[in-house]
Amino acid sequence: GQNIDQPTEMTATEGAIVQINCTYQTSGFNGLFWYQQHAGEAPTFLSYNVLDGLEEKGRFSSFLSRSKGYSYLLLKELQMKDSASYLCAVRDNYGQNFVFGPGTRLSVLP
Amino acid sequence: DGGITQSPKYLFRKEGQNVTLSCEQNLNHDAMYWYRQDPGQGLRLIYYSQIVNDFQKGDIAEGYSVSREKKESFPLTVTSAQKNPTAFYLCASSIALNEKLFFGSGTQLSVL
Repeated sequence: GQNIDQPTEMTATEGAIVQINCTYQTSGFNGLFWYQQHAGEAPTFLSYNVLDGLEEKGRFSSFLSRSKGYSYLLLKELQMKDSASYLCAVRDNYGQNFVFGPGTRLSVLP
Repeated sequence: DGGITQSPKYLFRKEGQNVTLSCEQNLNHDAMYWYRQDPGQGLRLIYYSQIVNDFQKGDIAEGYSVSREKKESFPLTVTSAQKNPTAFYLCASSIALNEKLFFGSGTQLSVL
């Protein structure tokens, strides 16, 4: 079956670093996406990994290990505006669909 | 500015009523999608369209219908057959099927 797990909620302090984990079990793998979604708004694209390793983009980095079915999103120098839900999504081999995780709601406290 | 526009932002449905959610994009994308978002669950695919005049059922198509008469437009009708329609509905598009998704800002549908 298709399954993606993420922690439901996380809390961190402004200026700190937080790591949001995503584990997946899918029928195939053709890339993993991270999206940010503020409450009641559109999800926006953050990062894409298809090969193992770390992709860095400013304050945000994303890591992938295909053998472990594992990814994480790393947010550095947290800001209040980073309070949002973070969605992990896997694209399967057949290219027919994305499988989305339930999302992790991150609260950044002053 | 290019983007995806969903309307209305909030919609209320009476029992036995069909309602239609609008989705328009000016990104010149071929593929469009409708997802349903419920609290604590991942986005679930309702319908998708790879090209004009073609669409396919997703994982939870029952009680919904769509049309794709124009490249820019992909409206979703929630029919009276959908017994649990209360959810946040997201429309998305991509340059081709299952490329990076661009999302609209969503429609919150509630039942009166």
